[in-house]
Amino acid sequence: DAGVIQSPRHEVTEMGQEVTLRCKPISGHNSLFWYRQTMMRGLELLIYFNNNVPIDDSGMPEDRFSAKMPNASFSTLKIQPSEPRDSAVYFCASSRLRAREAGADNEQFFGPGTRLTVL
Amino acid sequence: RKEVEQDPGPFNVPEGATVAFNCTYSNSASQSFFWYRQDCRKEPKLLMSVYSSGNEDGRFTAQLNRASQYISLLIRDSKLSDSATYLCVVNIYGNQFYFGTGTSLTVIP
Repeated sequence: DAGVIQSPRHEVTEMGQEVTLRCKPISGHNSLFWYRQTMMRGLELLIYFNNNVPIDDSGMPEDRFSAKMPNASFSTLKIQPSEPRDSAVYFCASSRLRAREAGADNEQFFGPGTRLTVL
Repeated sequence: RKEVEQDPGPFNVPEGATVAFNCTYSNSASQSFFWYRQDCRKEPKLLMSVYSSGNEDGRFTAQLNRASQYISLLIRDSKLSDSATYLCVVNIYGNQFYFGTGTSLTVIP
C-alpha cells in the first residue's frame, strides 16, 4: 500500500495567489481529514469527509479556504487568495471508520504533508 | 478551554532514563485515546492506542485515568531514537479527533 499521497510536497507562492493542495487517501478508507500544523497552534483539524461528504468544516479558518472530495480517491484543499499567515504544513489523513462510535480501530494515517510558504 | 492539553516540554533526558508524559482532556464523553509520534519534519504516526486497563508495548506503557481525565505515556530505558514529539489524541465520537500540541523529547547520549 502506498499510504496517503500528497502533492506538492513544498509550495512557495506570493501573497494573493491561489494554492491547491492535493491528497489521495489509502484505498478502502472512507474518511479523509485535512489538518494544518504550525509551531504556535499545533495540529488543527480544518475539515473532514466521510464517504466523500464534508461532515465538519468548522475548522476552516475563513472563506478563502475550500475543500472538495469529488470521489473516494482524491481531495483538494484550495486557498484563494493566499496570505502569509497561511504558511504552515498541511497534512491529509485517512481512516477506515468502522462504526459511528469512537474506537481503537479509527487510526488515522497521515500523508507526508505539504509545506506551504506564502511570501 | 482546549479539548486536549499537554506539557510542551521540552524534555531532555539521558539515554537509559525513564520519562513520563501526561495529557489531560476536557470532554468526559471521550471514548478512545491514542499516542502519536512525530519526528522532525515528518508526519504523525500512531505509536499506540490507550486502553482502559492500561497497555504496554515493549518499553512503552500507556495508562488512562477516566476519573481524572488524563492519559499518560511512560518510556523506559530511553533510546536516542525515541527523540521526537509525542502527540496525545482523543477520539470523542466517530471522527471527532482532537490532537494535543505535543510534547518534545530529546534523548541525550
